Amino acid sequence: AQSVTQLGSHVSVSEGALVLLRCNYSSSVPPYLFWYVQYPNQGLQLLLKYTTGATLVKGINGFEAEFKKSETSFHLTKPSAHMSDAAEYFCAVSLPRGGYQKVTFGTGTKLQVIP
Amino acid sequence: EAGVTQSPTHLIKTRGQQATLRCSPISGHTSVYWYQQALGLGLQFLLWYDEGEERNRGNFPPRFSGRQFPNYSSELNVNALELEDSALYLCASSPGWTKGTDTQYFGPGTRLTVL
Repeated sequence: AQSVTQLGSHVSVSEGALVLLRCNYSSSVPPYLFWYVQYPNQGLQLLLKYTTGATLVKGINGFEAEFKKSETSFHLTKPSAHMSDAAEYFCAVSLPRGGYQKVTFGTGTKLQVIP
Repeated sequence: EAGVTQSPTHLIKTRGQQATLRCSPISGHTSVYWYQQALGLGLQFLLWYDEGEERNRGNFPPRFSGRQFPNYSSELNVNALELEDSALYLCASSPGWTKGTDTQYFGPGTRLTVL
């Protein structure tokens, strides 16, 4: 079984400040991990993903995330927030292929960027 | 390359009616997923189709059903609509569970309003 927990349903940062969105997962085997972004009234857009290899993953729009097995975490960061980053962010986990595939999404974190 | 497309963009129905939502996956993708995103409830997994077969369904009543066509497009049907069915319905596609990464790519969604 797998699960994902996003800490903080709402996060506010000032424009230009560090963005840190937290995600912890639970999985019986090394998982695949994803971050998606959703702008109002739109679908989800893939920001980045971790499957295997390098634990620091760079994505679009200047975001990156680091897979930390010891902490079962996959936190999303961006050095400097921009107004256009205001959106809802979802962390997701799935098990490596080889059988029934299920992607489990977190409950989402709404990011507010204050001018 | 065209992304996942969904139609219609908006759908307004009354209680007891039936709704049909459509999804076309990315070319070459064989898996289609349906999610319900109701206000305050996050993404709830509805159905997963791969190679024309229903592979799994979420915890939804049988009045939520669907199918996948030979061209891998999919249809979601909701019968006997209830007010609480009002939500954004998201479709996602992936290459398929036998083809490697199960990264899901999302469409823009269909906003269903039940009056």
